[in-house]
Amino acid sequence: AQSVTQPDIHITVSEGASLELRCNYSYGATPYLFWYVQSPGQGLQLLLKYFSGDTLVQGIKGFEAEFKRSQSSFNLRKPSVHWSDAAEYFCAVGVPNAGNMLTFGGGTRLMVKP
Amino acid sequence: EAGVVQSPRYKIIEKKQPVAFWCNPISGHNTLYWYRQNLGQGPELLIRYENEEAVDDSQLPKDRFSAERLKGVDSTLKIQPAELGDSAVYLCASSFGGGTEAFFGQGTRLTVV
Repeated sequence: AQSVTQPDIHITVSEGASLELRCNYSYGATPYLFWYVQSPGQGLQLLLKYFSGDTLVQGIKGFEAEFKRSQSSFNLRKPSVHWSDAAEYFCAVGVPNAGNMLTFGGGTRLMVKP
Repeated sequence: EAGVVQSPRYKIIEKKQPVAFWCNPISGHNTLYWYRQNLGQGPELLIRYENEEAVDDSQLPKDRFSAERLKGVDSTLKIQPAELGDSAVYLCASSFGGGTEAFFGQGTRLTVV
């Protein structure tokens, strides 16, 4: 069975600073990979996804993520954080040919200092 | 285009009472998922539908949880009777088959007292 680990439960960055959120997965082949963001009281919004091809994926709101097969990682990055980026971020793994059922990590809560 | 719609947004019930949640997926999406998100955790899949057929319900506690998706569109998730540990956010998502991303509703926050 697949699993996802987000090592950082909380991260605080200053507005304008760069950001990297870590995600490691366990799966026997190449999975589908996703990053979702959740604001308080809201559902999950997809930031970006990786299915195949170019390992550097661009998403919405200036986010990008890089799939590194050798490290089983899919870290999320943003060069300059805005106060509105404060939220909970979830990495998820989907199993190809299994109806895209997602296994989520425990999430990383991002706080942004003014 | 409307996204995934869930109702109610919030529900408070006493333990041992029944409760039901409703989900209307994005038009044309044949795959529907119900997830449960406990406080401070990531969502966990409860059940997946392909059209009206439940194709994966291995994580659904069948002694008290039931779900249906009549006509392959709207879906209802029911808990009877509810227990204190059922307090969570219940998220519905839909997708246009496998290999595409899932879109989530805003969820129903259930509090069992």
